[in-house]
Amino acid sequence: GAVVSQHPSWVICKSGTSVKIECRSLDFQATTMFWYRQFPKQSLMLMATSNEGSKATYEQGVEKDKFLINHASLTLSTLTVTSAHPEDSSFYICSAKDPSPSAYNSPLHFGNGTRLTVT
Amino acid sequence: GNSVTQMEGPVTLSEEAFLTINCTYTATGYPSLFWYVQYPGEGLQLLLKATKADDKGSNKGFEATYRKETTSFHLEKGSVQVSDSAVYFCALSMVQGGSEKLVFGKGMKLTVNP
Repeated sequence: GAVVSQHPSWVICKSGTSVKIECRSLDFQATTMFWYRQFPKQSLMLMATSNEGSKATYEQGVEKDKFLINHASLTLSTLTVTSAHPEDSSFYICSAKDPSPSAYNSPLHFGNGTRLTVT
Repeated sequence: GNSVTQMEGPVTLSEEAFLTINCTYTATGYPSLFWYVQYPGEGLQLLLKATKADDKGSNKGFEATYRKETTSFHLEKGSVQVSDSAVYFCALSMVQGGSEKLVFGKGMKLTVNP
């Protein structure tokens, strides 16, 4: 079945550095991908909607310059956390929408998430 | 705004016990409702969904009915198995700003013991 690969699964970085997280749709072309952030014991919060070939749409309160999203191809979206700080430590999850008719009943596929720890 | 409130865990049950996970929602308009499941080490997967009032979603022995009058979408299973141990998320989907967005509840961790 359709799979979304998210890499890395976990990363530790020093404060002030930047970290890139990749989200790939492996067997379908995703014109739309979503990035979520999950705090401990909290729900998944939508950060931004990533559309191939255009600028991402960010949710209110999410800093565009802090969380750079690039959706350069139909199978890849990247989230870069720039100048990371300890408060950016969190679990980041991507999902990709399969637009094909066969996926009508279940179009969203999620990555396994990335655990970011900023020291 | 749109929101989802669900039971918070963690919950531990014995095998073959009855499971109910409560979920209520607040939404303007008529959302679609979902239950997602996250097994250990895996990404979220769609468990079941309902797109309009009185619809019942079902899968793998789980059921949930879209109740508009009580704005609820409670998840039930008559007899849980060890393999049902996972985190369960209730969610709603609405079209906002021309795009469809999912709003999740906090998730509830279920552990089923043999």
